[in-house]
Amino acid sequence: EPEVTQTPSHQVTQMGQEVILRCVPISNHLYFYWYRQILGQKVEFLVSFYNNEISEKSEIFDDQFSVERPDGSNFTLKIRSTKLEDSAMYFCASGTSASTGELFFGEGSRLTVL
Amino acid sequence: SQQGEEDPQALSIQEGENATMNCSYKTSINNLQWYRQNSGRGLVHLILIRSNEREKHSGRLRVTLDTSKKSSSLLITASRAADTASYFCATGGIQGAQKLVFGQGTRLTINP
Repeated sequence: EPEVTQTPSHQVTQMGQEVILRCVPISNHLYFYWYRQILGQKVEFLVSFYNNEISEKSEIFDDQFSVERPDGSNFTLKIRSTKLEDSAMYFCASGTSASTGELFFGEGSRLTVL
Repeated sequence: SQQGEEDPQALSIQEGENATMNCSYKTSINNLQWYRQNSGRGLVHLILIRSNEREKHSGRLRVTLDTSKKSSSLLITASRAADTASYFCATGGIQGAQKLVFGQGTRLTINP
C-alpha cells in the first residue's frame, strides 16, 4: 500500500543550526502539507503546498521556515535557524482533494533542539 | 479561534465496552474527519463525514455530525486492547481552505 515516508525519524540539533526534514508523498497526490505536534499537544497546521507553490500557511510558518519540492518526488521543510521551541514532531501529509478529503500522514520526524 | 475540541481528554474502559468521544468546533466546515494516533506514531485516517451527512459507519466505527450544534461524536463498539490510542477530530474548511484543523485529542485506554 502506498505510504508517505519521512526522514530522518529523529534529529538532534543545536539552537541556531539549519535543519531540513524530508518527505516522499504518495506518488499520485497533488497536495502536500506539513504539520507539527509539540509533545502532548495538538497537531498544528504549518503549510500547504500545491502546484509548486505555497497555498496556505499558518502564523507559525514564519520567515525561518521554507518548503520546497525540488525534484517532483521529495517535499522538504527547512528551518533556517532553529530555536528551542521548534522541538516537536513534524508530520508530512499528502492528499488528492482540494476540498480537504482524507490526508495520508507519514510517521513523523522528531526534532530536538538543544 | 479553537476548532475541533475533543471531550473527554482521556477515557479508560474495559475491553468489549463501547467508547464514545465527542468533538466540538466553531466555524463552518466542509467535512469532519477522525484520525487515530498510536503513541509516537503518525496519524491514521479513520473516517470522514461531510457537512451534509448526519451519520456514517465503518466497521466498528460510527460517526455522527450535528452541524446545528457544531459537534460530532465517534463511537467505537466492542472495543479491543488494540484500540488504545489517541483519537483526533479534524475539520476541513469551506471550499478553498485546504488545511485540516485538529483538536486536542482524546486519549483512549482499553483495559484487558
